[in-house]
Amino acid sequence: DAGVTQSPTHLIKTRGQQVTLRCSPKSGHDTVSWYQQALGQGPQFIFQYYEEEERQRGNFPDRFSGHQFPNYSSELNVNALLLGDSALYLCASSFSYGGSAGNTIYFGEGSWLTVV
Amino acid sequence: GDSVTQMEGPVTLSEEAFLTINCTYTATGYPSLFWYVQYPGEGLQLLLKATKADDKGSNKGFEATYRKETTSFHLEKGSVQVSDSAVYFCALSGYSSASKIIFGSGTRLSIRP
Repeated sequence: DAGVTQSPTHLIKTRGQQVTLRCSPKSGHDTVSWYQQALGQGPQFIFQYYEEEERQRGNFPDRFSGHQFPNYSSELNVNALLLGDSALYLCASSFSYGGSAGNTIYFGEGSWLTVV
Repeated sequence: GDSVTQMEGPVTLSEEAFLTINCTYTATGYPSLFWYVQYPGEGLQLLLKATKADDKGSNKGFEATYRKETTSFHLEKGSVQVSDSAVYFCALSGYSSASKIIFGSGTRLSIRP
């Protein structure tokens, strides 16, 4: 059973460009959350998708947007990239009726984004 | 808002030493508490968790006790190994699996042979 898979693993973009990161949740999971982890920092919550809608959002600008597809996979889009967007982007999946947090939340290995 | 403060690193210990990484939290209600570990080049892994006051989470020789009176969740291990070298994150969340996770800034642990 594959866990959470993310692509690409590494990418380099130029300031002002746009990027799309992809995530496939663990089998059986229907909720996808995205986190940004800057170098030397803890992950910061960006947003969460459930039933193809954004259910919660952290303190990130509108340049960060997402989408969830009927098969529960998800995309994170970042427009007008800034140097400060350079980070590891983590996807986490869970099951909406999974009970206590932590039991059912699984993280992918992340996508490293470098903005130059 | 809710937050997590953990011991700054890096922490360097010799093999078989005793480990403590301090973590305190601020939260409304009754959060669940976690320790996550990130090994070099790998993703985040849940190390242990506790969901209510006085619960003790344990895994791979690591332990942490949910102390509501001191709002703490310190990570301990009696005898560390080189393979424990990693970054450790203290975190909290609401009870639901849909709740977002709030992480501390992480503590890098290096173990010398």
